[in-house]
Amino acid sequence: DGGITQSPKYLFRKEGQNVTLSCEQNLNHDAMYWYRQDPGQGLRLIYYSQIVNDFQKGDIAEGYSVSREKKESFPLTVTSAQKNPTAFYLCASSILAGGPYNEQFFGPGTRLTVL
Amino acid sequence: EDQVTQSPEALRLQEGESSSLNCSYTVSGLRGLFWYRQDPGKGPEFLFTLYSAGEEKEKERLKATLTKKESFLHITAPKPEDSATYLCAVHGDAGNMLTFGGGTRLMVKP
Repeated sequence: DGGITQSPKYLFRKEGQNVTLSCEQNLNHDAMYWYRQDPGQGLRLIYYSQIVNDFQKGDIAEGYSVSREKKESFPLTVTSAQKNPTAFYLCASSILAGGPYNEQFFGPGTRLTVL
Repeated sequence: EDQVTQSPEALRLQEGESSSLNCSYTVSGLRGLFWYRQDPGKGPEFLFTLYSAGEEKEKERLKATLTKKESFLHITAPKPEDSATYLCAVHGDAGNMLTFGGGTRLMVKP
């Protein structure tokens, strides 16, 4: 089955720790995205990548970092510099970023809680 | 800057009571408008893409329509399983990314 997987489903972090959220897709999509969702709010873009070894900051990139070494993988690191990291994190992919078919398909999400 | 506003924030319906959700948008040039359904604790599920004013798409009890300023998601004879948050997003000429609205939380009571 084609799709997007995220792991872990739940993640607990102590203050001052860095944590990495995994995102893998087997849809052969070029573009991948990370969003943050807070209770009762819409999605806010953290980072996106249109091709391997390239990525751009979204609206709320401070305190986060990403890498794109493989087409299938786009891990997100939440660093200790992120002041309020407790949130629901969503990974998405699309065939192309900005192209005519820009539907984004989402993974199941990771809920991060800072203790 | 692209902007998307969804209304109402929450909507309670009785089973079988049809209604509509609104998505108002401003973009420099619309490339696409997207509707998603999101269940609690899960990722959004893609529903529809609309590209130009006058376009309509249907899926089961849902029908999405588009004008130059807004989109409606019409729900006909809803069932309790239609309860979810419905998200609207736009893709404009200004950039490569989607801009999401805050969502409408729909609750359908039996």
